[in-house]
Amino acid sequence: EAGVAQSPRYKIIEKRQSVAFWCNPISGHATLYWYQQILGQGPKLLIQFQNNGVVDDSQLPKDRFSAERLKGVDSTLKIQPAKLEDSAVYLCASSLASGTYEQYFGPGTRLTVT
Amino acid sequence: GENVEQHPSTLSVQEGDSAVIKCTYSDSASNYFPWYKQELGKRPQLIIDIRSNVGEKKDQRIAVTLNKTAKHFSLHITETQPEDSAVYFCAASAGGTSYGKLTFGQGTILTVHP
Repeated sequence: EAGVAQSPRYKIIEKRQSVAFWCNPISGHATLYWYQQILGQGPKLLIQFQNNGVVDDSQLPKDRFSAERLKGVDSTLKIQPAKLEDSAVYLCASSLASGTYEQYFGPGTRLTVT
Repeated sequence: GENVEQHPSTLSVQEGDSAVIKCTYSDSASNYFPWYKQELGKRPQLIIDIRSNVGEKKDQRIAVTLNKTAKHFSLHITETQPEDSAVYFCAASAGGTSYGKLTFGQGTILTVHP
């Protein structure tokens, strides 16, 4: 089966600019996750969707980050305005459903904010 | 919320030796414990997982043990090979009560010397 797709793979922007990331989950997967992975650390969940509804966004910096999952399939994560500390790899993952189901990760988008 | 501590942060072994990575968690409601392997510049990939109704699970050279009373779980890799070199992350989830939200440990850099 096709895996989780993400684009772009790399992005370099200046602070205060905006950026958007795209994710296409595995077909049929109802749950979609966005993680932030700072160099040398484990992934940290930013937001979790069940179909097109948000089930957890407690760690999403809502003053600058936003995400949507229209029609319960693809998702976009946006940062506006970006800060230096947003430099990280943004990983998208999907699973069949919420709960104890294996999460499949995409290749990630490496963001560098200068 | 859940907190996962992982040790050691780096582990160096000779090919053929065993490697053990340990994690502790704080939320007694956690019931799902996956382990991910992440090679440099690549996506995290699930290598083994265990649920709270099982004390041990084995898959070829990899095994995971869980002690719910002490709230810790461990990854055991036997007969290590150079291709086992990677960063390993443990994670914990409270399943249905948290919609499957994974909290990751800080990672262990495993280096297997030929």
